Amino acid sequence: NAGVTQTPKFQVLKTGQSMTLQCAQDMNHEYMSWYRQDPGMGLRLIHYSVGAGITDQGEVPNGYNVSRSTTEDFPLRLLSAAPSQTSVYFCASSYRGHYNSPLHFGNGTRLTVT
Amino acid sequence: AQSVTQLDSQVPVFEEAPVELRCNYSSSVSVYLFWYVQYPNQGLQLLLKYLSGSTLVKGINGFEAEFNKSQTSFHLRKPSVHISDTAEYFCAVSRNSGNTPLVFGKGTRLSVIA
Repeated sequence: NAGVTQTPKFQVLKTGQSMTLQCAQDMNHEYMSWYRQDPGMGLRLIHYSVGAGITDQGEVPNGYNVSRSTTEDFPLRLLSAAPSQTSVYFCASSYRGHYNSPLHFGNGTRLTVT
Repeated sequence: AQSVTQLDSQVPVFEEAPVELRCNYSSSVSVYLFWYVQYPNQGLQLLLKYLSGSTLVKGINGFEAEFNKSQTSFHLRKPSVHISDTAEYFCAVSRNSGNTPLVFGKGTRLSVIA
């Protein structure tokens, strides 16, 4: 049972480049979300999804897109990378809702934009 | 909207001493409350949660927290800490209706000193 798998673990981009951070879970969780973690800022929600075909914006959605075509996958797309997007990104999932079952986190993707 | 304030960014404590990590929340509606822990280079994992009922909640690794509605607090305590408790601790809140996402505090770094 792999849990929540994030790829890549590390990435360096140049300003203006685009890329997709991958997130996959094998627990049949309906709820998935993306957070970014910055020093002194804690975790801030970027986007979340309560099921396949349904996504919604979190606290800091600008510059990011998501889609949820399957239950298992929830990729995060950076359209045109900026240095302000340098951060550690975490994907998390839970069954039906985080209050019924805990959020399961991936190990993160460390992104640097130069 | 809900918000969380963790009153201490860093807490150093000697091994086997007690510790309290403070968390206050703001919300105009009833909430669910959580504490998550992040060990170095890992994602977060759930320590404990308050949904309803008894205001004293026990979690993993000997931690407990008390929900105080009048003071809008959810402080985390452990009577005797170990070196292995060194980590960052996050308090989080969500509305108690629907599948609303978690809002995290900025974190408290607990350093246990031998």
